Amino acid sequence: AQSVAQPEDQVNVAEGNPLTVKCTYSVSGNPYLFWYVQYPNRGLQFLLKYITGDNLVKGSYGFEAEFNKSQTSFHLKKPSALVSDSALYFCAVRVTARYNNNDMRFGAGTRLTVKP
Amino acid sequence: DTGVSQDPRHKITKRGQNVTFRCDPISEHNRLYWYRQTLGQGPEFLTYFQNEAQLEKSRLLSDRFSAERPKGSFSTLEIQRTEQGDSAMYLCASSWGLLAGGEETQYFGPGTRLLVL
Repeated sequence: AQSVAQPEDQVNVAEGNPLTVKCTYSVSGNPYLFWYVQYPNRGLQFLLKYITGDNLVKGSYGFEAEFNKSQTSFHLKKPSALVSDSALYFCAVRVTARYNNNDMRFGAGTRLTVKP
Repeated sequence: DTGVSQDPRHKITKRGQNVTFRCDPISEHNRLYWYRQTLGQGPEFLTYFQNEAQLEKSRLLSDRFSAERPKGSFSTLEIQRTEQGDSAMYLCASSWGLLAGGEETQYFGPGTRLLVL
């Protein structure tokens, strides 16, 4: 069965410093990996995804993530954090979908706090 | 706003009552998903539709939960005989996907927060 782990419940960084939010996955096939961000009382907003090809994926708001097959990881990164990046971040995985099996598994989330 | 919309945004009900939530997907999207999110957890997949066909419903939490998408556009999620454990955020998402897909992006609505007293 496919699963995702986000080993850190919370990440704290100072504004202007680089940030990393960690994600590891477990699947039996080729994974499709996603990052979403959730602000208070709002739905999830898509940041980026890895499907195939270049292991470094660039997404919205200056975020990027690196797919590492040997380490089964897909860590989210940003070179310079902003206070406005403070939110809840979710990693998710889907295996190549069959016609009637299309669920996406989410991690438990990592709360990012960026301090001025 | 052409994003996914959900109604109501908040619902308070008493244990034993039935509740129904509505989701309007992005208009050109053929797939629609329902998730449940409890405090401190990521979204948990419940069911999904390809057009009007419900292709996966084994993950619905119990037979008290049901979903419809009668014309392949909006969808409803109904919970019968609500229990306090049903209190959660119910999220809807939509996407455009091909039969052998899975790589498409799901776009989420703002959610309906349910509180069962």
